[in-house]
This record gives sequence, C-alpha cells and structure tokens, in this order.
Amino acid sequence: AQSVAQPEDQVNVAEGNPLTVKCTYSVSGNPYLFWYVQYPNRGLQFLLKYITGDNVVKGSYGFEAEFNKSQTSFHLKKPSALVSDSALYFCAVRHPFNTDKLIFGTGTRLQVFP
Amino acid sequence: SQTIHQWPATLVQPVGSPLSLECTVEGTSNPNLYWYRQAAGRGLQLLFYSVGIGQISSEVPQNLSASRPQDRQFILSSKKLLLSDSGFYLCAWSIGTGDSYTFGSGTRLTVV
Repeated sequence: AQSVAQPEDQVNVAEGNPLTVKCTYSVSGNPYLFWYVQYPNRGLQFLLKYITGDNVVKGSYGFEAEFNKSQTSFHLKKPSALVSDSALYFCAVRHPFNTDKLIFGTGTRLQVFP
Repeated sequence: SQTIHQWPATLVQPVGSPLSLECTVEGTSNPNLYWYRQAAGRGLQLLFYSVGIGQISSEVPQNLSASRPQDRQFILSSKKLLLSDSGFYLCAWSIGTGDSYTFGSGTRLTVV
C-alpha cells in the first residue's frame, strides 16, 4: 500500500539548535513529496516540495528537506530553531497512480523551547 | 491570484441536525477539490475529492456526502450529524498535475 510515515509524535528542541522532523515513504515509482505546517486551529500551509532535481530542497521560513531515495526518506530540517516554529508538521506524498490524491503522514508536533 | 475560501470557521451543531460546509476557489479553472477531516488535532483523512463538476469520489464510508454544483464550489453535507462527525474539516484544491495543493483555513465542527 502507498503510505508515508512520521515515526515521531513529538520533537522537542531548544531554540537556536538544529531540528529534524523525520518522514519515510513507501510508494511505487518516483514520488512527489511535500511538507506542510499547521498552526493551532488553522489550515495547512505549504513549506516545500520535491518533484525532481536536486535532492535538497529549500522552502519557506528557512526550512529544507533532503530526498534520500535509498533510504526512502524526506526529512525536514532547519539549522536554527525558533520558538515560532512550534507547530504540527505533516509530510505527504502524491499517490503514484491516482495522482489526484495526496497521502498524509500522521503529523509530528514540534515544540521549540526558549 | 488563486484563493480558497472556507466557511464557517467554527460550528456547533446538535446531534441529528443537518450540515452544510462550503468551499469556493477563486482565480483558477477546473481545479481538483478535496475534503479532509482531522480528528483530535492530528492525522488527516481524505473524505472526498472531485476532478470535475458532479464528479465525486468517496474515500471512506461515512455519514457525510459531498457535491460539486459548480466548477469552483465544493460542499460537504450531512442529513443527520453524529457525535463522531466532530472534527476539523479542511478543503483543498490542486491543479491536475498534482504538484501543488492549497488548503483552506478549516472549519471546526463540534457536534453536541
């Protein structure tokens, strides 16, 4: 089955430290991968996406993600966390056969402490 | 520019009452439209999607239905709400290439 996994329910990091939010996927073919962020009681905001090309993609708010085909991963990273980065982060993959559909992970709550 | 509108932002409805949530998109034509539900502030579940007027695909059996009466309008409905219908409902749109999805601001539905 096509799926995406976020193994951590919550990630805690001190402000100023680097952060990583993990995502692995299991889909056939070449994946389209996405990261979204959700602040409390808000819709999802697009952060970045990988479709093709460079394995490291840069997105909004200083975030980046690295596509690793051998490890089937697409981890989200930021070199220096801010308290304002605290939110719920979703990894997603476009369904390889039904390309109208987006499959989401269960989300990882990022908590950045001052 | 393209925008997506979703309303209402919050809704409290009694069990057994009907439901109608509306989503409209501006600035694009023939978008794919989606309804997602987020329970307990976590995972997102795709409920319905539509690739054109009158074309609705249902992902999970449930107490809800969806309709697309116009190209850029997507409606989520129920004839009789259940307590389990409570949640945060998100509308989204994409263009057919599937590499860009935009979400509305969501509706928090509480069934009491």
